[in-house]
Amino acid sequence: DTEVTQTPKHLVMGMTNKKSLKCEQHMGHRAMYWYKQKAKKPPELMFVYSYEKLSINESVPSRFSPECPNSSLLNLHLHALQPEDSALYLCASSPLGVSGANVLTFGAGSRLTVL
Amino acid sequence: AQRVTQPEKLLSVFKGAPVELKCNYSYSGSPELFWYVQYSRQRLQLLLRHISRESIKGFTADLNKGETSFHLKKPFAQEEDSAMYYCALSPPGGFKTIFGAGTRLFVKA
Repeated sequence: DTEVTQTPKHLVMGMTNKKSLKCEQHMGHRAMYWYKQKAKKPPELMFVYSYEKLSINESVPSRFSPECPNSSLLNLHLHALQPEDSALYLCASSPLGVSGANVLTFGAGSRLTVL
Repeated sequence: AQRVTQPEKLLSVFKGAPVELKCNYSYSGSPELFWYVQYSRQRLQLLLRHISRESIKGFTADLNKGETSFHLKKPFAQEEDSAMYYCALSPPGGFKTIFGAGTRLFVKA
């Protein structure tokens, strides 16, 4: 399996809802990432987990809460979002400690709309 | 500051013509450099990286440390090359991959 799988593909939520985005990979990658991508813009890094521990939080608002339950799964919990949070959320993974450690494998993304 | 600059938002060429997508970077040290590509309705994927020094789908990219550039080139563009191309930089051993704004390549028949 050489893919990163993200669910759901599309999500519409109100500002008072609580929802979660899920990401899964079975490539044995030990670094996992959340990126946010607005239309016609490059991906922006949000969080990085390495060996299931949060390594980087790019000053993301607390209404976004990441979780890495195990080496294959990454979640992004969403609560009290704002309409400006509407975007494509990309999950990525990369190997650690080997050549190509910084090469990112991306999922197809979850398109989030906040009403 | 770490920065990746892609000066062209849109590049349009005819099929069979040479194509060059420009990328300049700012980094104090020796970063790893990448080109990622996103074809229509497909996920973002790695095209090539400077360490590999390989040619993928006819594309090559040479790192010029003096000019801090990593331009992507192909001698004969094909229609299937039409896509969004992102140049990216990553500190060696680090996690913070920084993307340029992207260049949309359109290859006309």
